[in-house]
Amino acid sequence: DTEVTQTPKHLVMGMTNKKSLKCEQHMGHRAMYWYKQKAKKPPELMFVYSYEKLSINESVPSRFSPECPNSSLLNLHLHALQPEDSALYLCASSQVPGQGPYEQYFGPGTRLTVT
Amino acid sequence: GIQVEQSPPDLILQEGANSTLRCNFSDSVNNLQWFHQNPWGQLINLFYIPSGTKQNGRLSATTVATERYSLLYISSSQTTDSGVYFCAEKNSGGSNYKLTFGKGTLLTVNP
Repeated sequence: DTEVTQTPKHLVMGMTNKKSLKCEQHMGHRAMYWYKQKAKKPPELMFVYSYEKLSINESVPSRFSPECPNSSLLNLHLHALQPEDSALYLCASSQVPGQGPYEQYFGPGTRLTVT
Repeated sequence: GIQVEQSPPDLILQEGANSTLRCNFSDSVNNLQWFHQNPWGQLINLFYIPSGTKQNGRLSATTVATERYSLLYISSSQTTDSGVYFCAEKNSGGSNYKLTFGKGTLLTVNP
């Protein structure tokens, strides 16, 4: 099974709302990622979890709070977002570097609109 | 980190035509991936190809690691091939998890 799932597919939220994005993979991968993608740009890395521990935070504002409850799940908690945070949010997973072919698999994304 | 240059940035084809997309890299190639992002935003893995040639149906890819480039061939293109094609390579430096993406090739296949 080479599938990463994400919910919801679309999300509209106000600047005072709190919401969460969810990601799940069943490929046995121990590295999981959050990316942000703006229109006509490549994905930009936000966070990396390795063995359920936060490994990389690419200087992301604290209004984005990641969480990795177990090896299959990854959440992104959103609070007090700005309109410029509107984007496609992609989750990905892979083997940990050095543990096998380093190939990232992406979910279908959540299209977020902040009003 | 590694620099990735993709060409062409845009490509318009008639259905049935063939095309070649290219990625050049500033550093060694060890974990190259090609993706297709469809109009709904899904990033689909096309190839994991750190070296050599692979084929999958109408698509094939070749990576010449010693010369730091990779090519994606699309033959007999179909309208469903439309979208953005990205290549990406893993950084070999400290951020070992980081993929560096090219800026993408926007492919439009007209009926």
